[in-house]
Amino acid sequence: ETGVTQTPRHLVMGMTNKKSLKCEQHLGHNAMYWYKQSAKKPLELMFVYNFKEQTENNSVPSRFSPECPNSSHLFLHLHTLQPEDSALYLCASSQDTAGAETQYFGPGTRLLVL
Amino acid sequence: GQQLNQSPQSMFIQEGEDVSMNCTSSSIFNTWLWYKQDPGEGPVLLIALYKAGELTSNGRLTAQFGITRKDSFLNISASIPSDVGIYFCAGQQDNDMRFGAGTRLTVKP
Repeated sequence: ETGVTQTPRHLVMGMTNKKSLKCEQHLGHNAMYWYKQSAKKPLELMFVYNFKEQTENNSVPSRFSPECPNSSHLFLHLHTLQPEDSALYLCASSQDTAGAETQYFGPGTRLLVL
Repeated sequence: GQQLNQSPQSMFIQEGEDVSMNCTSSSIFNTWLWYKQDPGEGPVLLIALYKAGELTSNGRLTAQFGITRKDSFLNISASIPSDVGIYFCAGQQDNDMRFGAGTRLTVKP
């Protein structure tokens, strides 16, 4: 148990659906992250939020829309996804985004786009 | 962007054997981290290294921060079946964090 929870753990959606992934951290951290993990590839950073402000958008397609209403919650809204978007989506948090701050990961949401 | 070269990609070992894996980079990092990911779960931090040359242990795990700041290795001694999983290295420099592609470890009883 890392103090970072994600729901749902598994999600199957069609290409025309709209769904949202939720992440919550109970560590008192100020920074939160979304990563995409595909098989046999390094983790791909998608978005970074620090003190609720988006500080990084790593050229992510607009069909992924993040939302950070407060420092403890992070959402990833999904709309008209493609089959190649199927992956494990990991949320992480850290004290802030300064160097040497360790990130703690949630268990991930396994997404399948049909 | 800069990625880390992690090797080997996979390992199949017998219970009780020692394991070694490493990460290299063409860029320097201020922090090296090693994570383990069990099937269906997110990565869990094993060891964090903050100083070049630092050698740190966590039970049967030992990791070192290379003196050039461009590499790190992780050793697991006397492996057991629950060591199975994917091990990731990560290098951190300022606000930039990079991950290796992972080493998939299988331990045969």
